[in-house]
Amino acid sequence: QKEVEQDPGPLSVPEGAIVSLNCTYSNSAFQYFMWYRQYSRKGPELLMYTYSSGNKEDGRFTAQVDKSSKYISLFIRDSQPSDSATYLCAMRRAGNNRKLIWGLGTSLAVNP
Amino acid sequence: NAGVTQTPKFQVLKTGQSMTLQCAQDMNHEYMSWYRQDPGMGLRLIHYSVGAGITDQGEVPNGYNVSRSTTEDFPLRLLSAAPSQTSVYFCASSRTREVTDTQYFGPGTRLTVL
Repeated sequence: QKEVEQDPGPLSVPEGAIVSLNCTYSNSAFQYFMWYRQYSRKGPELLMYTYSSGNKEDGRFTAQVDKSSKYISLFIRDSQPSDSATYLCAMRRAGNNRKLIWGLGTSLAVNP
Repeated sequence: NAGVTQTPKFQVLKTGQSMTLQCAQDMNHEYMSWYRQDPGMGLRLIHYSVGAGITDQGEVPNGYNVSRSTTEDFPLRLLSAAPSQTSVYFCASSRTREVTDTQYFGPGTRLTVL
């Protein structure tokens, strides 16, 4: 079993929809949770980073962490065609020299 | 401000050939790393560096060498290319290795080994 599981999709939604992207994980020691966006043929770029549990909002994006369920989510409100990309979750333990564990990514298409 | 640059964008090699993938950053970042991204495997760390003159192995270092003679540059060398090294390679940099420092990725090099 992988430490981080992410449904690869593809997920196809109409413009303006609310999108929910999710990752589950098995290591309860993970404390830092990140969401990256990767456009086709580009490198990943950090969207949001959350420490421990709770929600974090940035514009149309909300990251949510539920440590009791070992489940993290990224919500995109009022989705736009420019949000079409692959979304990667990544997480790591606290402390020095802890490596990032990556999900495989979910492919999202927002249709105009 | 160019950020993280990688050359070449595309490369085709024959089995057994060697080559160097170039990576440079102009943000004075201490931490640089190389990843490969493969379908079904995700991003895997090959090598990383926490500063000039200091490098260490990641998850999948076999078949690759790195060096860091300057803060700006972190080349990745394939010693004797194998078809299993066909992949997309990303270089990344951040101010430090701390998770709170944003990691910036380059545009990638698509490598095919025949």
